[in-house]
Amino acid sequence: GAVVSQHPSWVICKSGTSVKIECRSLDFQATTMFWYRQFPKQSLMLMATSNEGSKATYEQGVEKDKFLINHASLTLSTLTVTSAHPEDSSFYICSARDHPDGTYEQYFGPGTRLTVT
Amino acid sequence: KQEVTQIPAALSVPEGENLVLNCSFTDSAIYNLQWFRQDPGKGLTSLLLIQSSQREQTSGRLNASLDKSSGRSTLYIAASQPGDSATYLCAVPGGYNKLIFGAGTRLAVHP
Repeated sequence: GAVVSQHPSWVICKSGTSVKIECRSLDFQATTMFWYRQFPKQSLMLMATSNEGSKATYEQGVEKDKFLINHASLTLSTLTVTSAHPEDSSFYICSARDHPDGTYEQYFGPGTRLTVT
Repeated sequence: KQEVTQIPAALSVPEGENLVLNCSFTDSAIYNLQWFRQDPGKGLTSLLLIQSSQREQTSGRLNASLDKSSGRSTLYIAASQPGDSATYLCAVPGGYNKLIFGAGTRLAVHP
């Protein structure tokens, strides 16, 4: 149980283009989803939190117009990197929680490797 | 502001050794602490979740302890195997929704 998938697992795009990453909870309804970013040999940094049907809450320093997050249903959240640049190349990981209570566990997806050339 | 530190940053050991990975956090007002494993280029696998009311959790060869008052947690790996090679991350809540991660301990177990 509690499986989270991401698609694609890796993507290469050209500078200036936009790329969409999907995060799905496969066997539970995710009231809250989270997007993290991880640079090589560094830890995960939370980018934003999204609740189904409402606007995402972005962490300080994260550009909301560049990283568009849509949590359209209880099983799907998408992260769109707009006008991507090489410095956006990173490993993006989503997680999901099946309860609005923040004390409940988050379940993590396998990650998406983004390379911007 | 919650900060999480993991020591050592890297560890290389021969197979069979018993290992201790350390995690410390600055704000002891946490309701749980979680240990994860991350293989290269992969997502996170949850290993153990310790609630604030617990002092330790065990899963197979893994044992995690939590001492809130001192702001420390320890992950003990018994009889290490090459398959245990990975990065181990600890994380604590940094607010209602946020998880604060340590930088991780990169473990290499060689035959």
